Amino acid sequence: DQQVKQNSPSLSVQEGRISILNCDYTNSMFDYFLWYKKYPAEGPTFLISISSIKDKNEDGRFTVFLNKSAKHLSLHIVPSQPGDSAVYFCAAKTGGGNKLTFGTGTQLKVEL
Amino acid sequence: DGGITQSPKYLFRKEGQNVTLSCEQNLNHDAMYWYRQDPGQGLRLIYYSQIVNDFQKGDIAEGYSVSREKKESFPLTVTSAQKNPTAFYLCASSSGTVSYEQYFGPGTRLTVT
Repeated sequence: DQQVKQNSPSLSVQEGRISILNCDYTNSMFDYFLWYKKYPAEGPTFLISISSIKDKNEDGRFTVFLNKSAKHLSLHIVPSQPGDSAVYFCAAKTGGGNKLTFGTGTQLKVEL
Repeated sequence: DGGITQSPKYLFRKEGQNVTLSCEQNLNHDAMYWYRQDPGQGLRLIYYSQIVNDFQKGDIAEGYSVSREKKESFPLTVTSAQKNPTAFYLCASSSGTVSYEQYFGPGTRLTVT
């Protein structure tokens, strides 16, 4: 049972344009969401997070939007750069614990 | 330099042998985690530990064992009972109280033939 889903395995965007990565979840008990970026053969690195009491969080070129009624979150990267090419994972946490449930990832390719 | 180290980067073993993967952190984090990554399956939680001398099974604990004798160390043993041990293994840690972010090590690629 995949509680966190990233339905697009890959996404290709031109440099300078907006990248939008999507994530859906089924567990209404999730109260905190995170996005990680991962290069091949390396560990994921934390990008940005959002609490369920907010609907938007921004950090430089990265913005995460949360739509609780739709159980959907998205990561916007503006402008996209070639160095953003990586696999992006969304993750979610339920209250009272520190376990994260990860999605399957989306491979982003930013083309020149 | 604070961080998480995993060694070795690449590990090769014959089928039927147990193998232990190392994970050390100097971030003074209480919680530590082991994940496995397979193509197209994201990160799946194997075991986690919230505090020294305590650990819990994750979603795919069968065929694995761990210990947490020191705050800094959380080694993972892949036993011969694990049916598909070849994978990329990731260790992570988190403060558990200050923030929910998990910090990951560089990973160990285990190949069993």
